[in-house]
Amino acid sequence: GQQVMQIPQYQHVQEGEDFTTYCNSSTTLSNIQWYKQRPGGHPVFLIQLVKSGEVKKQKRLTFQFGEAKKNSSLHITATQTTDVGTYFCAFGGSSYKLIFGSGTRLLVRP
Amino acid sequence: DGGITQSPKYLFRKEGQNVTLSCEQNLNHDAMYWYRQDPGQGLRLIYYSQIVNDFQKGDIAEGYSVSREKKESFPLTVTSAQKNPTAFYLCASSTSGGATEQFFGPGTRLTVL
Repeated sequence: GQQVMQIPQYQHVQEGEDFTTYCNSSTTLSNIQWYKQRPGGHPVFLIQLVKSGEVKKQKRLTFQFGEAKKNSSLHITATQTTDVGTYFCAFGGSSYKLIFGSGTRLLVRP
Repeated sequence: DGGITQSPKYLFRKEGQNVTLSCEQNLNHDAMYWYRQDPGQGLRLIYYSQIVNDFQKGDIAEGYSVSREKKESFPLTVTSAQKNPTAFYLCASSTSGGATEQFFGPGTRLTVL
């Protein structure tokens, strides 16, 4: 079935460094969503991208949807300890369900 | 306040016992979902429901059962047939399925002893 590959699995950065996670699909996606899950918490919706080549920004976070709509990225500029957590991409499958990537766990050294 | 509630937050059960996890939403959402998350892993879909009195199996439905008698409620029963039930269970809802944003409850951490 449809699925997305999310890389890297883990990223450990020094506070102030940048961070990027990537989501790749072998098939064209109609949309992609990004969620953040803090340690011990639940996933929280960050953003949805729909258009080819779309770029959206939320403060230090930049989200991109590839031109072919087969990949997406989340970039965090100058990480802070509050950015710690696992970042998931997800896309709407052929039915009612949302298909989640395996997530990238971000650890930030203060 | 609108949102999704799950209870209890922590649950302990003996092996061989069925246990029901509660999920209630007051967001007036049509679609509801149950996910399982194991330590350091992603989300795996157990069951989902698009509308009252209707639900479909997700990727790992074996050993689980659900009901959707009311729009607000989507309880999950973990049966004794589930081989490895210890996990973090997350309930979510959305206005409709597929491409719409999902809102998650705080989760129930189930430990089977």
